[in-house]
Amino acid sequence: GQQVMQIPQYQHVQEGEDFTTYCNSSTTLSNIQWYKQRPGGHPVFLIQLVKSGEVKKQKRLTFQFGEAKKNSSLHITATQTTDVGTYFCVEANDYKLSFGAGTTVTVRA
Amino acid sequence: DTAVSQTPKYLVTQMGNDKSIKCEQNLGHDTMYWYKQDSKKFLKIMFSYNNKELIINETVPNRFSPKSPDKAHLNLHINSLELGDSAVYFCASSQVGALAGELFFGEGSRLTVL
Repeated sequence: GQQVMQIPQYQHVQEGEDFTTYCNSSTTLSNIQWYKQRPGGHPVFLIQLVKSGEVKKQKRLTFQFGEAKKNSSLHITATQTTDVGTYFCVEANDYKLSFGAGTTVTVRA
Repeated sequence: DTAVSQTPKYLVTQMGNDKSIKCEQNLGHDTMYWYKQDSKKFLKIMFSYNNKELIINETVPNRFSPKSPDKAHLNLHINSLELGDSAVYFCASSQVGALAGELFFGEGSRLTVL
């Protein structure tokens, strides 16, 4: 079954505001990946986190891996309409990537 | 050049029919996958192949039969289609198993069973 839990399921954001989506696991994760799927599109890789406490930034996106490697977060600052889509955290393990349920983001202009 | 291409993009068919979806990747990857995405956007892995060998079969009904003639191709054949099979099916590939890096997805094949 699904091992990674994502919250919130939906995020409605005013343009220009910040938001965070969280990914939690009951077990220690070997690594975690994040993907973005635009409406009508396919998932596209954003980042992979491997080390405990790792923080990586991509422009307005900040990804963090928890110290215990059981959780991860994606923080987006100054949300833009181009940020619309569903963000998935993914546990990668032995030829199998298990997707979280995703956080679907809508933006109010 | 499209890295992972799957055909057809859309499939509309009657219950009980048999259909196939083809997938090809030109990235030189060793591992290919089929994922099913339901109406709630949940992505579930169905199969994983590494160098033409089946690695993962996630309790998918026997009506679903993947075939990998070579490591660049992974096709999906579905027998006796049911209403619950309606979904978007994504093919993906990665280099040497998931831990090596990212998944590259095809654009998806939307299957509608009437």
